Amino acid sequence: DGGITQSPKYLFRKEGQNVTLSCEQNLNHDAMYWYRQDPGQGLRLIYYSQIVNDFQKGDIAEGYSVSREKKESFPLTVTSAQKNPTAFYLCASSKGQGLSGTEAFFGQGTRLTVV
Amino acid sequence: AQSVTQLDSHVSVSEGTPVLLRCNYSSSYSPSLFWYVQHPNKGLQLLLKYTSAATLVKGINGFEAEFKKSETSFHLTKPSAHMSDAAEYFCVVSDPGFQKLVFGTGTRLLVSP
Repeated sequence: DGGITQSPKYLFRKEGQNVTLSCEQNLNHDAMYWYRQDPGQGLRLIYYSQIVNDFQKGDIAEGYSVSREKKESFPLTVTSAQKNPTAFYLCASSKGQGLSGTEAFFGQGTRLTVV
Repeated sequence: AQSVTQLDSHVSVSEGTPVLLRCNYSSSYSPSLFWYVQHPNKGLQLLLKYTSAATLVKGINGFEAEFKKSETSFHLTKPSAHMSDAAEYFCVVSDPGFQKLVFGTGTRLLVSP
């Protein structure tokens, strides 16, 4: 089955540690996205990538980093500089470069908790 | 810049009664509009999308939405609610030339027996 796989489903991090969230897709989509979800705030864009080896900052990129070395993979690193990392993180992908007329497909999310 | 306003944070209905979830958008271009649904601790699933074809869009699970340019609205409706419809719903806008989705803050739909 084609789809987007995020791992792990739950992640616990100690303060001061970096953690990496995995996102893999086998849909052959060009574009991939990372969103952060907090209660009552909807989804906010962290980073997005339209093609391999290229990515752009979203609205809340501070304290996060990404890479796009392969078309099917777009890992997100939450660094110690992110002051409030506890949230639900969603990865998405879409066909083609851009969202005109096409939708994004989402993974099942990773819930990150700082302990 | 494009934006989306979901007018209700919570909507409560009884099973078998109609559902109306309201969404207004702001866009400087002809927009693409979407409704997504999210069940607790899950990813988002596309319900329907509008991409400048028919203004009345039919989606999955009996949902539909009507694009009204004069009112800048894209309200989601369903004639008869089912218990399984209880979830959070997001109205989303994407403009041609923009390469990201902009989400509303969500509406939580509660369905009582």
